[in-house]
Amino acid sequence: ETGVTQTPRHLVMGMTNKKSLKCEQHLGHNAMYWYKQSAKKPLELMFVYSLEERVENNSVPSRFSPECPNSSHLFLHLHTLQPEDSALYLCASSQYLGEQNEQFFGPGTRLTVL
Amino acid sequence: GQNIDQPTEMTATEGAIVQINCTYQTSGFNGLFWYQQHAGEAPTFLSYNVLDGLEEKGRFSSFLSRSKGYSYLLLKELQMKDSASYLCAVMDSNYQLIWGAGTKLIIKP
Repeated sequence: ETGVTQTPRHLVMGMTNKKSLKCEQHLGHNAMYWYKQSAKKPLELMFVYSLEERVENNSVPSRFSPECPNSSHLFLHLHTLQPEDSALYLCASSQYLGEQNEQFFGPGTRLTVL
Repeated sequence: GQNIDQPTEMTATEGAIVQINCTYQTSGFNGLFWYQQHAGEAPTFLSYNVLDGLEEKGRFSSFLSRSKGYSYLLLKELQMKDSASYLCAVMDSNYQLIWGAGTKLIIKP
């Protein structure tokens, strides 16, 4: 148990659906992250929030929309996804955005797009 | 561009020692992390190096040479539960982690 929870753990959706992934951290951290993990590929950083402000958007398609209502919660809203978006989506948090700040990961949401 | 290289897969025997190498080329350097990820689980933090040299933590040690862009993770007295993927990640000048694809370590009895 890392102190970072994610729901749902598994999600199957069609290309026309709209769904949201939720992440919550109970560590009092100020930075939160969304990553995409595909098989045999490096973790891809999607979004970074620091003190509820988005500080990084690594050329992620607009069909992925993040939301950070407060420092404990992070959402990833999904709409009109493609089959190649099927992957494990990991949320992480760290105390601050800066050096020597290890990231704590949630268990991930396994997403399948049909 | 930014690049992190590590072997795709390694096999070792229970009780033995294994060294997992990582080489990197990144825009800036603010430290190197090693994470362990068991199949179907979240990555968990193992070690952090920002200065050259060896950091020891129980059965696990991590080494860094900034001039060579090189690190290794050393696992001693291997146990079956050490079967996992080991991820190398470098923090760049923007304090973002750049990740390697991971090394899958298989431990045989």
